[in-house]
Amino acid sequence: DAGVIQSPRHEVTEMGQEVTLRCKPISGHNSLFWYRQTMMRGLELLIYFNNNVPIDDSGMPEDRFSAKMPNASFSTLKIQPSEPRDSAVYFCASTFYRYNSPLHFGNGTRLTVT
Amino acid sequence: AQRVTQPEKLLSVFKGAPVELKCNYSYSGSPELFWYVQYSRQRLQLLLRHISRESIKGFTADLNKGETSFHLKKPFAQEEDSAMYYCALSSSNTGKLIFGQGTTLQVKP
Repeated sequence: DAGVIQSPRHEVTEMGQEVTLRCKPISGHNSLFWYRQTMMRGLELLIYFNNNVPIDDSGMPEDRFSAKMPNASFSTLKIQPSEPRDSAVYFCASTFYRYNSPLHFGNGTRLTVT
Repeated sequence: AQRVTQPEKLLSVFKGAPVELKCNYSYSGSPELFWYVQYSRQRLQLLLRHISRESIKGFTADLNKGETSFHLKKPFAQEEDSAMYYCALSSSNTGKLIFGQGTTLQVKP
Protein backbone atom coordinates (compact mmCIF):
# COMPACT_ATOMS: atom_id res chain seq x y z
CA ASP A 1 0.00 0.00 0.00
CA ALA A 2 1.37 3.41 -0.97
CA GLY A 3 -0.26 5.04 2.00
CA VAL A 4 -2.18 8.28 1.91
CA ILE A 5 -1.33 10.15 -1.26
CA GLN A 6 -1.53 13.92 -1.50
CA SER A 7 -1.01 16.15 -4.50
CA PRO A 8 0.60 18.43 -5.31
CA ARG A 9 3.56 18.31 -2.93
CA HIS A 10 4.19 22.00 -3.38
CA GLU A 11 1.93 24.76 -4.63
CA VAL A 12 2.89 28.36 -5.18
CA THR A 13 0.15 30.72 -6.24
CA GLU A 14 -0.74 34.36 -6.23
CA MET A 15 -3.23 35.93 -3.92
CA GLY A 16 -6.75 35.68 -5.27
CA GLN A 17 -6.21 32.47 -7.20
CA GLU A 18 -8.12 29.28 -6.58
CA VAL A 19 -6.17 26.41 -5.03
CA THR A 20 -7.24 22.76 -5.00
CA LEU A 21 -5.49 20.19 -2.85
CA ARG A 22 -6.10 16.50 -3.42
CA CYS A 23 -6.02 13.41 -1.26
CA LYS A 24 -6.32 9.69 -1.87
CA PRO A 25 -6.85 7.81 1.42
CA ILE A 26 -5.72 4.28 2.13
CA SER A 27 -8.06 1.76 0.54
CA GLY A 28 -10.59 0.44 3.06
CA HIS A 29 -10.34 3.39 5.41
CA ASN A 30 -13.65 5.05 6.27
CA SER A 31 -12.53 8.28 7.94
CA LEU A 32 -10.60 11.13 6.36
CA PHE A 33 -9.19 14.24 8.00
CA TRP A 34 -7.75 17.52 6.69
CA TYR A 35 -5.29 19.40 8.89
CA ARG A 36 -3.31 22.61 8.49
CA GLN A 37 0.13 22.96 10.03
CA THR A 38 1.72 26.31 10.85
CA MET A 39 4.50 27.34 13.20
CA MET A 40 2.15 29.49 15.23
CA ARG A 41 -0.78 27.14 15.64
CA GLY A 42 0.66 23.67 15.12
CA LEU A 43 -1.77 21.13 13.63
CA GLU A 44 -5.30 22.44 13.28
CA LEU A 45 -8.16 20.15 12.32
CA LEU A 46 -10.07 21.71 9.44
CA ILE A 47 -12.67 19.08 8.64
CA TYR A 48 -13.21 15.36 8.82
CA PHE A 49 -15.40 12.85 7.04
CA ASN A 50 -16.84 9.50 8.09
CA ASN A 51 -18.04 7.28 5.24
CA ASN A 52 -17.68 10.23 2.83
CA VAL A 53 -19.98 12.44 4.91
CA PRO A 54 -18.60 15.62 6.51
CA ILE A 55 -19.00 15.26 10.26
CA ASP A 56 -17.37 18.37 11.66
CA ASP A 57 -16.20 21.37 9.64
CA SER A 58 -15.99 23.77 12.57
CA GLY A 59 -12.26 24.14 11.98
CA MET A 60 -12.63 25.49 8.47
CA PRO A 61 -11.35 29.08 8.76
CA GLU A 62 -13.96 30.79 6.64
CA ASP A 63 -16.15 30.49 3.59
CA ARG A 64 -13.17 30.64 1.31
CA PHE A 65 -12.40 27.06 2.34
CA SER A 66 -14.44 24.09 1.16
CA ALA A 67 -13.89 20.34 1.17
CA LYS A 68 -15.53 17.48 -0.63
CA MET A 69 -15.36 13.72 -0.59
CA PRO A 70 -17.29 12.47 -3.61
CA ASN A 71 -16.29 8.85 -3.00
CA ALA A 72 -14.29 6.70 -0.60
CA SER A 73 -11.06 7.08 -2.55
CA PHE A 74 -10.83 10.81 -3.14
CA SER A 75 -11.13 14.12 -1.34
CA THR A 76 -10.37 17.73 -2.21
CA LEU A 77 -9.75 20.86 -0.19
CA LYS A 78 -10.34 24.06 -2.09
CA ILE A 79 -9.42 27.62 -1.20
CA GLN A 80 -11.00 30.39 -3.22
CA PRO A 81 -9.79 33.07 -3.27
CA SER A 82 -6.47 32.30 -1.65
CA GLU A 83 -4.70 34.78 0.65
CA PRO A 84 -1.10 34.98 1.91
CA ARG A 85 -2.22 33.94 5.41
CA ASP A 86 -3.33 30.60 3.97
CA SER A 87 0.31 29.68 3.44
CA ALA A 88 0.91 26.49 5.42
CA VAL A 89 1.38 22.75 5.07
CA TYR A 90 -1.91 20.95 4.56
CA PHE A 91 -2.11 17.33 5.64
CA CYS A 92 -4.63 14.68 4.80
CA ALA A 93 -4.97 11.61 7.01
CA SER A 94 -7.16 8.53 7.00
CA THR A 95 -8.11 5.67 9.28
CA PHE A 96 -10.57 2.86 9.65
CA TYR A 97 -12.40 4.26 12.60
CA ARG A 98 -12.68 2.10 15.70
CA TYR A 99 -11.61 2.61 19.28
CA ASN A 100 -8.05 3.89 19.43
CA SER A 101 -7.40 3.59 15.72
CA PRO A 102 -4.33 5.60 14.62
CA LEU A 103 -4.28 8.05 11.77
CA HIS A 104 -2.16 7.52 8.68
CA PHE A 105 -0.86 10.78 7.26
CA GLY A 106 0.07 11.84 3.78
CA ASN A 107 3.26 13.76 3.04
CA GLY A 108 1.39 17.03 2.98
CA THR A 109 1.07 19.86 0.49
CA ARG A 110 3.16 22.95 1.14
CA LEU A 111 1.12 25.93 -0.01
CA THR A 112 2.67 29.34 -0.55
CA VAL A 113 0.42 32.23 -1.46
CA THR A 114 2.25 35.36 -2.57
CA ALA B 1 -14.81 20.99 24.57
CA GLN B 2 -11.78 19.01 23.47
CA ARG B 3 -8.46 20.73 23.98
CA VAL B 4 -4.83 19.65 24.04
CA THR B 5 -2.08 21.82 25.45
CA GLN B 6 1.63 21.35 24.96
CA PRO B 7 3.22 24.20 26.89
CA GLU B 8 6.71 23.94 25.42
CA LYS B 9 7.40 24.83 21.81
CA LEU B 10 11.03 23.74 22.08
CA LEU B 11 12.80 21.37 24.41
CA SER B 12 16.55 21.12 24.11
CA VAL B 13 18.54 18.47 25.99
CA PHE B 14 21.89 16.77 25.78
CA LYS B 15 22.30 13.18 24.66
CA GLY B 16 21.79 10.82 27.58
CA ALA B 17 19.66 13.24 29.57
CA PRO B 18 16.07 12.40 30.58
CA VAL B 19 13.27 13.84 28.51
CA GLU B 20 9.73 14.77 29.45
CA LEU B 21 7.39 16.33 26.90
CA LYS B 22 4.34 17.73 28.62
CA CYS B 23 0.77 17.30 27.46
CA ASN B 24 -2.41 18.31 29.23
CA TYR B 25 -5.89 17.79 27.92
CA SER B 26 -9.43 18.91 28.48
CA TYR B 27 -12.26 16.54 27.66
CA SER B 28 -15.47 15.67 29.45
CA GLY B 29 -15.71 12.08 28.27
CA SER B 30 -13.35 9.13 28.29
CA PRO B 31 -10.28 10.23 26.35
CA GLU B 32 -8.25 8.33 23.82
CA LEU B 33 -4.75 9.79 23.84
CA PHE B 34 -1.86 9.45 21.43
CA TRP B 35 1.61 10.75 20.74
CA TYR B 36 2.61 11.33 17.13
CA VAL B 37 6.09 12.14 15.89
CA GLN B 38 7.36 13.90 12.78
CA TYR B 39 11.00 13.32 11.94
CA SER B 40 12.74 15.63 9.51
CA ARG B 41 11.50 15.07 5.94
CA GLN B 42 9.15 12.28 7.01
CA ARG B 43 5.42 12.14 7.38
CA LEU B 44 3.69 12.37 10.73
CA GLN B 45 3.38 8.92 12.31
CA LEU B 46 1.98 7.34 15.42
CA LEU B 47 4.47 6.89 18.25
CA LEU B 48 2.28 5.39 20.95
CA ARG B 49 -1.24 5.35 22.40
CA HIS B 50 -2.34 5.25 25.99
CA ILE B 51 -4.46 2.15 25.65
CA SER B 52 -1.49 0.03 24.63
CA ARG B 53 0.66 0.88 27.66
CA GLU B 54 3.65 0.17 25.48
CA SER B 55 7.17 1.50 25.23
CA ILE B 56 8.21 2.56 21.75
CA LYS B 57 11.81 3.56 21.04
CA GLY B 58 12.26 3.87 24.79
CA PHE B 59 9.39 6.34 25.15
CA THR B 60 6.50 5.82 27.55
CA ALA B 61 3.46 7.89 28.43
CA ASP B 62 1.07 7.42 31.33
CA LEU B 63 -2.43 8.75 31.38
CA ASN B 64 -3.11 10.64 34.60
CA LYS B 65 -6.81 11.37 34.72
CA GLY B 66 -6.54 13.29 37.97
CA GLU B 67 -4.10 15.75 36.48
CA THR B 68 -5.53 15.37 32.96
CA SER B 69 -2.05 14.79 31.64
CA PHE B 70 -0.33 12.43 29.24
CA HIS B 71 3.34 13.36 29.42
CA LEU B 72 5.85 11.60 27.18
CA LYS B 73 9.03 10.40 28.85
CA LYS B 74 12.32 8.80 28.00
CA PRO B 75 15.07 8.17 30.53
CA PHE B 76 18.01 8.68 28.16
CA ALA B 77 17.62 10.84 25.06
CA GLN B 78 19.37 9.95 21.82
CA GLU B 79 20.23 12.24 18.92
CA GLU B 80 17.86 10.36 16.62
CA ASP B 81 14.99 11.36 18.91
CA SER B 82 15.22 14.90 17.57
CA ALA B 83 11.85 15.59 15.96
CA MET B 84 8.52 17.35 16.38
CA TYR B 85 6.20 15.61 18.84
CA TYR B 86 2.44 16.06 18.92
CA CYS B 87 0.05 14.99 21.62
CA ALA B 88 -3.43 14.14 20.33
CA LEU B 89 -6.86 13.50 21.79
CA SER B 90 -9.66 11.56 20.17
CA SER B 91 -13.31 11.55 21.02
CA SER B 92 -14.48 7.99 21.60
CA ASN B 93 -17.93 8.94 20.32
CA THR B 94 -17.08 10.65 17.06
CA GLY B 95 -13.51 9.79 16.23
CA LYS B 96 -12.61 13.47 16.04
CA LEU B 97 -8.84 13.76 16.62
CA ILE B 98 -7.29 17.05 17.66
CA PHE B 99 -3.65 17.87 18.27
CA GLY B 100 -1.68 20.09 20.56
CA GLN B 101 0.62 22.74 19.15
CA GLY B 102 3.60 20.41 19.11
CA THR B 103 6.97 20.40 20.84
CA THR B 104 10.24 20.33 18.98
CA LEU B 105 12.72 18.08 20.74
CA GLN B 106 16.33 18.87 20.04
CA VAL B 107 18.91 16.40 21.36
CA LYS B 108 22.40 17.79 21.30
CA PRO B 109 25.52 15.60 21.13
